[in-house]
Amino acid sequence: QVQLQESGPGLVKPSETLSLTCTVSGGSIGIYYWNWIRQPPGKGLEVIGYIYYSGGTKYNPSLKSRVTMSVDTSKNEFSLKLKSVTAADTAVYYCARVREGYNSDAFDIWGQGTMVTVSS
Amino acid sequence: EIVLTQSPGTLSLSPGERATLSCRASQSVSRNSLAWYQQKPGQAPRLLIYDASSRATGIPDRFSGSGSGTDFSLTISRLEPEDFAVYHCQQYGSSPNTFGQGTKVEFK
Repeated sequence: QVQLQESGPGLVKPSETLSLTCTVSGGSIGIYYWNWIRQPPGKGLEVIGYIYYSGGTKYNPSLKSRVTMSVDTSKNEFSLKLKSVTAADTAVYYCARVREGYNSDAFDIWGQGTMVTVSS
Repeated sequence: EIVLTQSPGTLSLSPGERATLSCRASQSVSRNSLAWYQQKPGQAPRLLIYDASSRATGIPDRFSGSGSGTDFSLTISRLEPEDFAVYHCQQYGSSPNTFGQGTKVEFK
C-alpha cells in the first residue's frame, strides 16, 4: 500500500528556509495531488498547499509569498520550501495525498509527520 | 475563507456511550465537501468520513457522518476504548481548504 515519509531538518534558524521532502513508496506519485499540512503544538491543522505530479501548484494565500513546492517524479518524491521562517512556523509538518485524484478532497493517506522547530 | 467551529471542545464519556460531535461552517460548504478525521497522540490524522457521510475504507460502521450546508455532525454509536482521541473536521468545497480546531473525546 502507498506510504508517505517526510524528511528534513528538525531545527531551523529564524529568517532561514525550512526544507522538507516527502517520499512516496508502494505506489506512483502520478495522477494524484499531494499536500503539505502543518499543526503547531496544541493547535489545529492548516493546509499549506498542494502540488500535482505534473508540477502544478496551489498555495494557501496566507503563506503564498513564502512557499515553494516542487516534485521529482523520477524519485517519487515532492518537496516544500518555506522561507523567512519565524517561531510561528514551529509545527509538525505532514505530507498527505488527496483521495481519488481530485485537486480538492479529503486526505486519505498521511505521512507520520515531522516536527520542525524554529529557534536560534 | 470558511471558518469551521467544532463543539464541544471536550467531550467526557464512558465506553459504550454515544458521542455526537458538531462542526459548524461560517458559510455553506459546497457539495457537502466535508471530512472527519481521528487523531491520536503522536500520530497523523486518519480519515474517517468524506463527502459528509461516506465512510472511508476500513472504518467501522459505528462511525457515521451527517449534515449539509453549514451544520455537520459525526456520531460514534458506541464508544470503544480505541475511539478516545481528537476529532477534526475539514471542508474542501472552497479554497483554501480549512480545518476545525478539533474536539477531544476523553474518558469520563
